[in-house]
Parts: sequence; C-alpha cells; structure tokens
Amino acid sequence: EDKVVQSPLSLVVHEGDTVTLNCSYEVTNFRSLLWYKQEKKAPTFLFMLTSSGIEKKSGRLSSILDKKELSSILNITATQTGDSAIYLCARGGLNRDDKIIFGKGTRLHILP
Amino acid sequence: ETGVTQSPTHLIKTRGQQVTLRCSSQSGHNTVSWYQQALGQGPQFIFQYYREEENGRGNFPPRFSGLQFPNYSSELNVNALELDDSALYLCASSLPGNEQYFGPGTRLTVT
Repeated sequence: EDKVVQSPLSLVVHEGDTVTLNCSYEVTNFRSLLWYKQEKKAPTFLFMLTSSGIEKKSGRLSSILDKKELSSILNITATQTGDSAIYLCARGGLNRDDKIIFGKGTRLHILP
Repeated sequence: ETGVTQSPTHLIKTRGQQVTLRCSSQSGHNTVSWYQQALGQGPQFIFQYYREEENGRGNFPPRFSGLQFPNYSSELNVNALELDDSALYLCASSLPGNEQYFGPGTRLTVT
C-alpha cells in the first residue's frame, strides 16, 4: 500500500529559527500534493502543489514539490510561537475519486 | 472560518451501539470526504461523496456507511461500534480535484 512519510515526526526549535519539514511519497502518478496545518481540530489548508520545481509562498511559509525525488518540503522562516502545530502532508490520487493519503504529520513546537 | 460545520462536537457511545455524525459542506462545494484521525496519526480516508453518490472508499469495513443529501450535506454512520473506533472524525468539502476544507471534527469516544 502506498504511503506518505513525513519527517521529522516532531521538532522543537526556538522562535526566529527556520525549519524545513519533509514529505515523501511512493506513487509517481498523482494530481496534487497538499500541506495542511492542524492546531486543535480542523486542518487548515496551506498549499496545493501540482508541478515540480515551482515554489509556492505564503508569507513566511513556502513549499516546493520534487517529482523526481518523490518528495516535498515545507519551509517556515522566522518561526513564531503561533506556528506551533501539526503539519500534515497529503497526496491526492490521479483521478478525482482516488483517495487522499495523509502522512502522520510533523509536530512542531516553537519555544519563546 | 472555513464554512464547513460538523455535529455533534463530542460524543460518547458504548461498544455495539450505532452513531451518526453530520457535516454541512462549504457553500458551493459538491464533494464531501470523511476521515478518521486517531491520536498521533494523520487522517485516514474513509470515503468520499460526490453529488449524492459514493465516489471512492478507503480501507474501512462496511459498518462505516454514509449519505450525501441534495444540499450536499452528509452523514457518516458507524454500526456496531468498537473501542478502536474512538477517534476524531473529520469532514472536508471541496470541488472535485481541488483542495479540501475541513470542519472542526467530531470527537467520538467508545467505552
């Protein structure tokens, strides 16, 4: 069964640090790679990546997909305590009715 | 505010009982997906509904079933509850193939 593997599983850094979260997957044909932030309950959408090598940015967050390496990274620069959350990576299927596979997430804790 | 709502917020059931969880999708979204998230795990795909029909299913037994209504709201039904069914149940709405927007979830505890 194909998997989405995230690393590290947990990370503790100080405010102001830059972090890189990793996501790797196994299938080569899929529609999109998604990143979500989960603080308490509902995951909130961050990025949808469909093309390799094109960085998407939103403020201090950025993400890029590498289809050759079957991976994606999520970068957060100048971290703040409000960035503390679980970051989830998910791979969409090739067809619209294919299931979406989530990784276990990276639990990020930012120390003040 | 994502616009996706779920009810109830919390629920406690005993083993063997049945439960129905409800989800109202974001305005304009015709696709609803349900996920089970156990503690320390990522969401696991249960199934997806598109225009009132099941449109993909994960590795869950038939006692997990669902419905989607003409207004695109949805229900998740679980029969013969087991202790391992205790989890956060998330509903997400979307347009087909697009990013999903999640509701706040229903925390189900089975004792």
